[in-house]
Amino acid sequence: ETGVTQTPRHLVMGMTNKKSLKCEQHLGHNAMYWYKQSAKKPLELMFVYNFKEQTENNSVPSRFSPECPNSSHLFLHLHTLQPEDSALYLCASSPLTTGNTIYFGEGSWLTVV
Amino acid sequence: RKEVEQDPGPFNVPEGATVAFNCTYSNSASQSFFWYRQDCRKEPKLLMSVYSSGNEDGRFTAQLNRASQYISLLIRDSKLSDSATYLCVVNVRENAGNMLTFGGGTRLMVKP
Repeated sequence: ETGVTQTPRHLVMGMTNKKSLKCEQHLGHNAMYWYKQSAKKPLELMFVYNFKEQTENNSVPSRFSPECPNSSHLFLHLHTLQPEDSALYLCASSPLTTGNTIYFGEGSWLTVV
Repeated sequence: RKEVEQDPGPFNVPEGATVAFNCTYSNSASQSFFWYRQDCRKEPKLLMSVYSSGNEDGRFTAQLNRASQYISLLIRDSKLSDSATYLCVVNVRENAGNMLTFGGGTRLMVKP
């Protein structure tokens, strides 16, 4: 049913590993987002892309590196993460028109060991 | 001060009860308001938008008070399936597009 798909759904990685999260949207939207949701904390916006261009980097550490090759695909490259980076990472998309809602993927559960 | 603030709950109510959640936001220039629902270990999903004149969708009623900068959600005749976390969401930077800011959520547990 979801128009935003994320892979992998679950990921366990060591602190020295390099991995990537992938997001694809089938809704014809032009904006894509990465959000982080940690236990007992509100959703935190990480990155925003409009028409493949990054328009927001919400003071995210450089060990998280986003990539947006086109309006339908978004990646989050992970390198040298810390255990406190363990969280649910949610991708979302929306039309560019203001006032519209955003649609989330099912999320990628990341555990850093 | 948090940009979007909610009582985390939990609100424990019996089936059939009426329950109301409030949410306050700090940016008076906020333009768009929403309630999302998030089930345990799932992604947030849009429940309803909140319009200035208030709006209703079945058992759910949303109200906006711009003067006091708060939003409310009323659920009538609660069902077991209403158990979830309800997220108040505010678009705080209209010119930059959809820069939604989420509250921490209010957890609702409906008991038989």
